[in-house]
Amino acid sequence: EVQLVESGGGLVQPGGSLRLSCTASGFTFSNYWMYWVRQVPGKGLVWVSRINGDGTNTNVADSVKGRFTISRDNAKNTLYLQMNSLRVEDTAVYYCTRELELPGGFDYWGQGTLVAVSS
Amino acid sequence: QSALTQPASVSGSPGQSITISCTGTSSDVGGYNYVSWYQQHPGKAPKLMIYEVSNRPSGVSNRFSGSKSGNTASLTISGLQAEDEADYYCSSYTGSTTTAYVFGTGTNVTVL
Repeated sequence: EVQLVESGGGLVQPGGSLRLSCTASGFTFSNYWMYWVRQVPGKGLVWVSRINGDGTNTNVADSVKGRFTISRDNAKNTLYLQMNSLRVEDTAVYYCTRELELPGGFDYWGQGTLVAVSS
Repeated sequence: QSALTQPASVSGSPGQSITISCTGTSSDVGGYNYVSWYQQHPGKAPKLMIYEVSNRPSGVSNRFSGSKSGNTASLTISGLQAEDEADYYCSSYTGSTTTAYVFGTGTNVTVL
């Protein structure tokens, strides 16, 4: 059974840092592009960042460029999102998700972890 | 890249059919057959319902179907059931490295 379990969220002050983790199981982790998608409570979904299977190709949304870094450790089946210089507007539930083998969408999602940026 | 446009809400009675539209541009919905749809119940993670415009993942009811014409994709739910009450989001691949995917604004489906 495919499972994605996020951790690392919490309350942080503006300007602070957090590192989110997503532990995967039930599939060959290194074969898949992995993504972070966030959702402000009560609002829509927004793509944040992605990384290819061997970690050599990454992209981030303009809204987090220079502040967020995505990475992965295939030996540990774990995806990461390092978030620095956090802003109030980064407050959201962060989901890790697996992309289908073709770029047709996301077939598995974690349960989400809440990041709250507030003074 | 702007969010795809969906109606804020759609409602129907049990057993009826409803259709949710998702309008984008030639750079996303119109440019790729990579439109997907997600169902999200309150407090839960999104669930993939349709991928590549019209394909259903294993385990998703055949009451859900998808289509696309030009820059607009659609999700139809037939034989509406109480458990279908949820938020629905469309998404499209964009081919861009700065906005790999764009999501829709979301539609709240109410079963009357």
